[in-house]
Amino acid sequence: NAGVTQTPKFQVLKTGQSMTLQCAQDMNHEYMSWYRQDPGMGLRLIHYSVGAGITDQGEVPNGYNVSRSTTEDFPLRLLSAAPSQTSVYFCASSMDRGNTEAFFGQGTRLTVV
Amino acid sequence: DAKTTQPPSMDCAEGRAANLPCNHSTISGNEYVYWYRQIHSQGPQYIIHGLKNNETNEMASLIITEDRKSSTLILPHATLRDTAVYYCIVRVYGTASKLTFGTGTRLQVML
Repeated sequence: NAGVTQTPKFQVLKTGQSMTLQCAQDMNHEYMSWYRQDPGMGLRLIHYSVGAGITDQGEVPNGYNVSRSTTEDFPLRLLSAAPSQTSVYFCASSMDRGNTEAFFGQGTRLTVV
Repeated sequence: DAKTTQPPSMDCAEGRAANLPCNHSTISGNEYVYWYRQIHSQGPQYIIHGLKNNETNEMASLIITEDRKSSTLILPHATLRDTAVYYCIVRVYGTASKLTFGTGTRLQVML
């Protein structure tokens, strides 16, 4: 049982490049979310999904796209990377919308130069 | 969502109980209190949550005051591995996947 797996762990991009951060969970969880964490701050919600085919925006969605074609995967796309997107990105999943715990991946550290 | 207030940092001696306070004076009746922690740069880890009754699990105890305006997370026998940032989060039932993190309390457990 791998839990929530994020790839890659580290990435350096040039301004304007695009890339996809991968997130996969093997717990058959309905809910998945993406957060970013800037130095010295807590996590902020980017996008979330309540099930396959359903996504919605969080607190800081600009510059990011998501889709949810399967229960297991929830990729985060940066279409045109900017230095302001330099951050650590965490993916999380939870069983349902009730009061179950959220499981987090180990993060992707992204630097945009 | 109710706003939470936590001290920015605390120290605790190894083997002693660590008591981490959280103020949530604007909490409403349908909001739960969650605690997560983040060790170094790892992903946050769920610890415990509660509505109004005190809760205990294998990791910690959660004490919520009768008026629900504050709570305390208790790590009964802190170890060096408990050194982390602890986040107190208040959320309405049904929104556990949309967590709002503040800056938390940095707990340093010392020898």
